[in-house]
Amino acid sequence: SYVLTQAPSVSVAPGQTARVTCGGNNIGSKSVHWYQQKPGQAPVLVVFDETDRPSGIPERFSGSKSGNTATLTISRVEVGDEADYYCQVWDTTSDHLGVFGTGTRVSVL
Amino acid sequence: AQVVESGGGSVKPGGSLRLSCETSGFSFSDCHMTWIRQAPGKGLEWVSFMNNSGGPTYYADAVKGRFTLSSDSVKNSVYLQMSSLRVEDTAVYYCARVFPLYYDSLTGSPRVDVWGQGTTVTVS
Repeated sequence: SYVLTQAPSVSVAPGQTARVTCGGNNIGSKSVHWYQQKPGQAPVLVVFDETDRPSGIPERFSGSKSGNTATLTISRVEVGDEADYYCQVWDTTSDHLGVFGTGTRVSVL
Repeated sequence: AQVVESGGGSVKPGGSLRLSCETSGFSFSDCHMTWIRQAPGKGLEWVSFMNNSGGPTYYADAVKGRFTLSSDSVKNSVYLQMSSLRVEDTAVYYCARVFPLYYDSLTGSPRVDVWGQGTTVTVS
């Protein structure tokens, strides 16, 4: 089955920029979505189709993709951005379900 | 748009549970519905996906043959019947909306845009 790989953790100081990467074979041909999950809460969609933001998501959250890696960038990081972040694509090759990345914990120092 | 799960609880291995997901604020026929779970301290895992554009319902290999996803369009609800439960099925189960049904240039690609608060299933 399709695998998306993320670094387990990223640490960043308030006001700085955090980058969360997501790697997968041929990810360039897939639409990538990003979710934020704070402790004890359900995930929230923060970026879809690599670069688009749902209404209500701050412009500080942006996405990009190059080669076999997608990146979620959080600019001007705030304490409230501390959370787990998951990338997601659709796997149309095996069981046709979605696939989540392994998740990255963003810690704000 | 909102989805609310119910039906979680504690059950012994081999037992059964039925999770319910009541939706509101959107047209049931304009989206897919899905269940995603998260074991304690672990990441997100897809469980089942109901294709509302006429396609089949899909299941993760880990639950195939044991879980059944169904829906009631009159009640705007989906259900996850879980049987032959195993310790490794212990998780928070999220019901969620996948919108839109398919890609188009105006609305983009299908993504999980509405999540429930989750319901906890403990098998021990």
